[in-house]
Amino acid sequence: GDSVTQMEGPVTLSEEAFLTINCTYTATGYPSLFWYVQYPGEGLQLLLKATKADDKGSNKGFEATYRKETTSFHLEKGSVQVSDSAVYFCALNKQGAQKLVFGQGTRLTINP
Amino acid sequence: GAGVSQSPRYKVAKRGQDVALRCDPISGHVSLFWYQQALGQGPEFLTYFQNEAQLDKSGLPSDRFFAERPEGSVSTLKIQRTQQEDSAVYLCASSATGIAYEQYFGPGTRLTVT
Repeated sequence: GDSVTQMEGPVTLSEEAFLTINCTYTATGYPSLFWYVQYPGEGLQLLLKATKADDKGSNKGFEATYRKETTSFHLEKGSVQVSDSAVYFCALNKQGAQKLVFGQGTRLTINP
Repeated sequence: GAGVSQSPRYKVAKRGQDVALRCDPISGHVSLFWYQQALGQGPEFLTYFQNEAQLDKSGLPSDRFFAERPEGSVSTLKIQRTQQEDSAVYLCASSATGIAYEQYFGPGTRLTVT
């Protein structure tokens, strides 16, 4: 079945460090890919999305590029802030389906 | 309201008890989703409604789980004869469009079965 695999956490970085959180997927067809973020005490929020191969999603300084050849959608940010501390989820949605399929999540902590 | 709300936010149940979890979607949203999030895991799809019709219940783990949305607005997820493995956060999401990434998530209900 369809699945998403994320790099294991927790990830701890210092402020202004470069961030990469790896995400790979398994799915038939051409899914759409997403990153969601869950800040402490809040609900899941869509961070960015890409709906076709080679698309780059971006938001709040975060970027991810849909790579069909490597079935990947790695999340990157050039300079993280303490306020980026949260749990990040990679997810996919198959064409024509309603549900989202999530990875296991990666907890990110940024130290000042 | 401004967003999706869920109640209660926390529920402790003894094994074997029945529980009911409520979701109030954003007003006017036709699509409603339930997900189960075990500790340290990502959310897993349970079921999906479009208005009052339950179009997909493929993720419900057993016949002890039942969801309804009788008037196409508020939804209730019921779990009968709870077991310890039911302990999880239950997330509700709603969407105006039915487009998957336009789901707005509620804060969840944390269920602990003792």
